[in-house]
Amino acid sequence: EIVLTQSPGTLSLSPGERATLSCRASQSVSSNYLAWYQQKPGQAPRLLIYGASSKATGIPDRFSGSGSGTDFTLTISRLEPEDFAVYYCQQSGRSPPWTFGQGTKVEVK
Amino acid sequence: EVQLVQSGAEVKKPGESLKISCKASGYSFTSYWIGWVRQMPGKGLEWMGIIYPGDSDTRYSPSFQGQVTISADKSISTAYLQWSSLKASDTAIYYCGGGPSPTVFDYWGQGTRVTVSS
Repeated sequence: EIVLTQSPGTLSLSPGERATLSCRASQSVSSNYLAWYQQKPGQAPRLLIYGASSKATGIPDRFSGSGSGTDFTLTISRLEPEDFAVYYCQQSGRSPPWTFGQGTKVEVK
Repeated sequence: EVQLVQSGAEVKKPGESLKISCKASGYSFTSYWIGWVRQMPGKGLEWMGIIYPGDSDTRYSPSFQGQVTISADKSISTAYLQWSSLKASDTAIYYCGGGPSPTVFDYWGQGTRVTVSS
């Protein structure tokens, strides 16, 4: 089973600042099957990024994903008030289980 | 518009059985995968398993294999997650998610809160 480790656990930033979230896999993730989700309190997760760098429908341009192999990054170029949330990465390698990272909380500084 | 609508909150006692549902609309039910994700109180997301209603191909996480059963009824476009004997540790919110690929959840249900307490 591939283990995903996200860092930092909590990111304290102000609106307008840049957020950089990391997701490291215990083994290489095949074909860049790496996705990012956003979850706000009391809500279901929402898909942001799939295939490591492709944006899901309706996702603003300030969100971008990058990386390959075992190291992946989600970047939010300029934080908007609605971006403060918990972010999870998910890998979908060769076979299940397709695990999630433990999450990074982006909070207002 | 693709929608996944889950059944309502449940309060059960340890040892009881339970089946929660996820009704799909807005697409061909047999052409999308539907999976289940657990979120224990204050914790992160855990991938439980997934089913392809078109041919009932079902895959489980080893952590949940034998503990739950995932199924689907094509006639009513609904996927299910069921337990035969609940434990207090099954207390969580359960989300269904789905999409054309088994590897990504493009769409999500609103979640079903399950509370197991004596």
